[in-house]
Amino acid sequence: EAGVAQSPRYKIIEKRQSVAFWCNPISGHATLYWYQQILGQGPKLLIQFQNNGVVDDSQLPKDRFSAERLKGVDSTLKIQPAKLEDSAVYLCASSLRSGRETQYFGPGTRLLVL
Amino acid sequence: GDSVTQMEGPVTLSEEAFLTINCTYTATGYPSLFWYVQYPGEGLQLLLKATKADDKGSNKGFEATYRKETTSFHLEKGSVQVSDSAVYFCALSARPFQAAGNKLTFGGGTRVLVKP
Repeated sequence: EAGVAQSPRYKIIEKRQSVAFWCNPISGHATLYWYQQILGQGPKLLIQFQNNGVVDDSQLPKDRFSAERLKGVDSTLKIQPAKLEDSAVYLCASSLRSGRETQYFGPGTRLLVL
Repeated sequence: GDSVTQMEGPVTLSEEAFLTINCTYTATGYPSLFWYVQYPGEGLQLLLKATKADDKGSNKGFEATYRKETTSFHLEKGSVQVSDSAVYFCALSARPFQAAGNKLTFGGGTRVLVKP
């Protein structure tokens, strides 16, 4: 079974530029999560999708971050404009459904904002 | 709000030594508890989990017991190997039966370095 795929793996941009990350969850997984992991800290949830609907985006900085999951499969996370403090690893995870299902994580996208 | 506190690292120990990483949590209700591991250059992997009080999760020689009375979920391994060098994260899912809100809340991570 293929795991959670993410691209790109690394991205370097200048502040005020825009950037987008892509995630393809495990086939059949209804729930998709985006986490932000700042260096030296644990991951923090940004947004959770159930199929193509948002169920939790309370920690998403909506003035600059946006995310979508068209057709309930893959997802994109966008930052526009980026700030220095957005430098982090962006992790995508998926689970079969919500509830006590194990979340499976992708390798992450490491973003450096200069 | 929900929170997880784990001991800060780095923890450096010799091969075959005993490893303990302390983890305590704050949450309402009956959370599920997890340990995730992140090997160098790789993504997070689930190491073990426990879904109710007194449950013991185990995998690859690691164990952790869900202690509701002390709100703890300490990770232990009796004899570590060099290959166990990684960052370990304790996490909870506070409302696991609800469609919304089963997000994972993570601790800050503990780096473990095992020397030959």
